[in-house]
Amino acid sequence: DIQMTQSPSTLSASVGDRVTITCRASRGINSWLAWYQQKPGKAPRLLIYKASTLESGVPSRFSGSGSGTEFTLTIISLQPDDFATYYCQQYDSYSRTFGQGTKVELK
Amino acid sequence: DVQVLDSGGGLVQPGGSLRLSCAASGFTFRSYAMSWVRQAPGKGLEWVSTVSGSGTTTYYADSVKGRFTISRDNSKNTVYLQMNSLRPDDTAVYYCAKSDTLGGNYFDYWGQGTLVTVSS
Repeated sequence: DIQMTQSPSTLSASVGDRVTITCRASRGINSWLAWYQQKPGKAPRLLIYKASTLESGVPSRFSGSGSGTEFTLTIISLQPDDFATYYCQQYDSYSRTFGQGTKVELK
Repeated sequence: DVQVLDSGGGLVQPGGSLRLSCAASGFTFRSYAMSWVRQAPGKGLEWVSTVSGSGTTTYYADSVKGRFTISRDNSKNTVYLQMNSLRPDDTAVYYCAKSDTLGGNYFDYWGQGTLVTVSS
């Protein structure tokens, strides 16, 4: 199975900050990567697919980049609604795998 | 609007069985793969299984292979997860999710989740 490793596990930030989360794959996955946001007690929400394509309705302050084994999710100006846990997910292999998650908390 | 409604969770003893259901609407059901993703209490997301739009192709995580069976009834716009030989480490919220394509890549719509607790 392809292992997905996110860093950091927890990120403390303030409203207005630029935030970057990294996701690394154990082998190359081209651009077959999605990002999700999850709030406590809620289902995940798709943010980005194919590494950098923004899902409809997702604010433009979210962006994704990368290919191969290293990917980033960036929030250019953190808003109060953005405090949540973020997951990456690869779909290069039919055994889909998620990263362990990055919790973005208030500093 | 796309809606995904999962149900069927509950308390079951180790070694027992349970069947989860997921009713979907608002899209051409047979044209999209459907999947189950679970989340153990306080843990991250784990993909469990995917069934293709036609129902002829299925995929499973190693952790559930041979114990869980995914299926779908396109006449009822419903997908199922039959879970047998349940273990305490199967305890989780199980989410049904619509995939983006016939074969299934990422998950663009999710149900609200249904809790499965495996305990004596």
